[in-house]
Amino acid sequence: DAGVIQSPRHEVTEMGQEVTLRCKPISGHNSLFWYRQTMMRGLELLIYFNNNVPIDDSGMPEDRFSAKMPNASFSTLKIQPSEPRDSAVYFCASSPTNTGELFFGEGSRLTVL
Amino acid sequence: GESVGLHLPTLSVQEGDNSIINCAYSNSASDYFIWYKQESGKGPQFITDIRSNMDKRQGQRVTVLLNKTVKHLSLQIAATQPGDSAVYFCAENMEYNAGNMLTFGGGTRLMVKP
Repeated sequence: DAGVIQSPRHEVTEMGQEVTLRCKPISGHNSLFWYRQTMMRGLELLIYFNNNVPIDDSGMPEDRFSAKMPNASFSTLKIQPSEPRDSAVYFCASSPTNTGELFFGEGSRLTVL
Repeated sequence: GESVGLHLPTLSVQEGDNSIINCAYSNSASDYFIWYKQESGKGPQFITDIRSNMDKRQGQRVTVLLNKTVKHLSLQIAATQPGDSAVYFCAENMEYNAGNMLTFGGGTRLMVKP
């Protein structure tokens, strides 16, 4: 099993640019989560999909952040326009239905200059 | 100005000693608890879990203890090895209408001295 696959692993961009992070969950997993990790705030849940439908996006910081899951094997997290305070590691995780265990990807480290 | 980073509690142990990492959780309705290990530059990885109807789960080197009265969880690692060096997170799971929600603690850094 390939696990959760995220891309890019690293991205450096300038303030104001659009950033798109990508995630391929583990095949057969029905739930997908986007987390953000920073030294200041630790691991924060941004948004959660169940069967491709956004269920809880209360963690999305502001309107500059959006997430989509067009099908069961792909999700994107977009930041537009990006700001330096968005610099963090963004993790995608997936989970089988009816269990709490999450399987994390390796993360996308974003630096906004 | 310079921002102050999150200060992770750190446990430093000698190789071969036992380690105990503690975690306080917040929600008495949480029904499932998971410990994750995060090595530098990687995503969190599942180590072990325990359901709220248990107070102890023992593995080969890893034991989880759950005290629901005081909402406390601990992870015990026997004969700690250098490869155990990482940040350890506890997470509590609660079911709600839409599914399951995992909330993570702040983490503890374990440093193993050879």
